[in-house]
Amino acid sequence: QVQLVESGGGVVQPGRSLRLSCAASGFSLSTYAMHWVRQAPGKGLEWVSVLWYNGLDHYYADSVKGRFTISRDTSENTLYLQMNSLRVEDTAVYYCAREPNTGAYLDFWGQGALVTVSS
Amino acid sequence: SFELTQPPSVSVFPGQTVSIACSGNKLENKYASWYQQKPGQSPVVVIYQDNMRPSGIPERFSGSSSGNTATLTISGTQALDEAEYFCLAWDSGSGVFGGGTKLTVL
Repeated sequence: QVQLVESGGGVVQPGRSLRLSCAASGFSLSTYAMHWVRQAPGKGLEWVSVLWYNGLDHYYADSVKGRFTISRDTSENTLYLQMNSLRVEDTAVYYCAREPNTGAYLDFWGQGALVTVSS
Repeated sequence: SFELTQPPSVSVFPGQTVSIACSGNKLENKYASWYQQKPGQSPVVVIYQDNMRPSGIPERFSGSSSGNTATLTISGTQALDEAEYFCLAWDSGSGVFGGGTKLTVL
């Protein structure tokens, strides 16, 4: 069955970097678009980034553009989110989610990884 | 910029019908999806492509879209439907979520 497992969260100081991983099973990352979505404590959902199924096209929210990079390793079937120049306002639970081939929605979500940016 | 607006909260008595609206400019040209999130859990899609229900989602959940507003309707609401609901649409390749609506079952 489809499963997404995030890892790599933790506490980091402002300005530092962190890389999140999302291990996928039950399907191949090379055939689906994959997204990162975050949720600050007590707040709503915020879309962060998408990597299209071709692994080449990607988009970012304005709030993270130029600081975050989405990528994948198809041999490991793992999605990544490299987060640089972290800010206090990046503190959130980060979810990876799959977009099915029919498009325009997110059908499977991981359990989330908490990132806390604090001095 | 493209934004989606939801009411912060709605309430309903068990067994009654409740609707949650999601409005945004140009939404009529985009598909909307809806997600249910209970405390401490990951979101779950309950409606996609405006009015499609994923397998495993009860029939009491339905969706519609007209003009610049997408609507999630829960008929015969049950206590276990108490949760936060988010709408999602896409603009120029990027996702946009509504602010979320807290549904309270009285």
